[in-house]
Amino acid sequence: SQKIEQNSEALNIQEGKTATLTCNYTNYSPAYLQWYRQDPGRGPVFLLLIRENEKEKRKERLKVTFDTTLKQSLFHITASQPADSATYLCALLYGGSQGNLIFGKGTKLSVKP
Amino acid sequence: DVKVTQSSRYLVKRTGEKVFLECVQDMDHENMFWYRQDPGLGLRLIYFSYDVKMKEKGDIPEGYSVSREKKERFSLILESASTNQTSMYLCASRTANQETQYFGPGTRLLVL
Repeated sequence: SQKIEQNSEALNIQEGKTATLTCNYTNYSPAYLQWYRQDPGRGPVFLLLIRENEKEKRKERLKVTFDTTLKQSLFHITASQPADSATYLCALLYGGSQGNLIFGKGTKLSVKP
Repeated sequence: DVKVTQSSRYLVKRTGEKVFLECVQDMDHENMFWYRQDPGLGLRLIYFSYDVKMKEKGDIPEGYSVSREKKERFSLILESASTNQTSMYLCASRTANQETQYFGPGTRLLVL
């Protein structure tokens, strides 16, 4: 069965640095992969989606890459700020176009001033 | 803006009680989902629905049931609450042909 893993439970970085979060999956490559942000006590909020035929996607200070050979997506936050501190979840679709999302367990990012 | 609302942010119930968690979305989404989220286990899918009156079991349906009588409303029911159902419950919705999933704020349920 498809599995999705976020290797780091927590990541601590200094303000202004680039945060890089990793998401790996097993088995087949999904049609797309998504990243969500979750603040404590809140529901996840969609950030970015990258399709299997896209190598890279950007949105403001966020960048996502998708390597179907490595079965990996990297999520970067450049010029990180304390307000970026949150848990970041990756998710992929399984079961076809009308399927469901499977989520990684998340990486808790802490950006220190 | 898409809005997914959940009836309660916090709920405290006794073991054996019947518990109703309500979820309403205002964007005419076909698909609705119930998850629970626990530390170290991540988000796990309990039930989902692709249409009114339709429901499908997710990965952990035991001890739960759902109801979708109207398109905008998806209810999660704990027939007889147990302490191991203490968790954060998250509702989500999306259209059938859209990838983005929208989550509600969550209900933190404590079963004593």
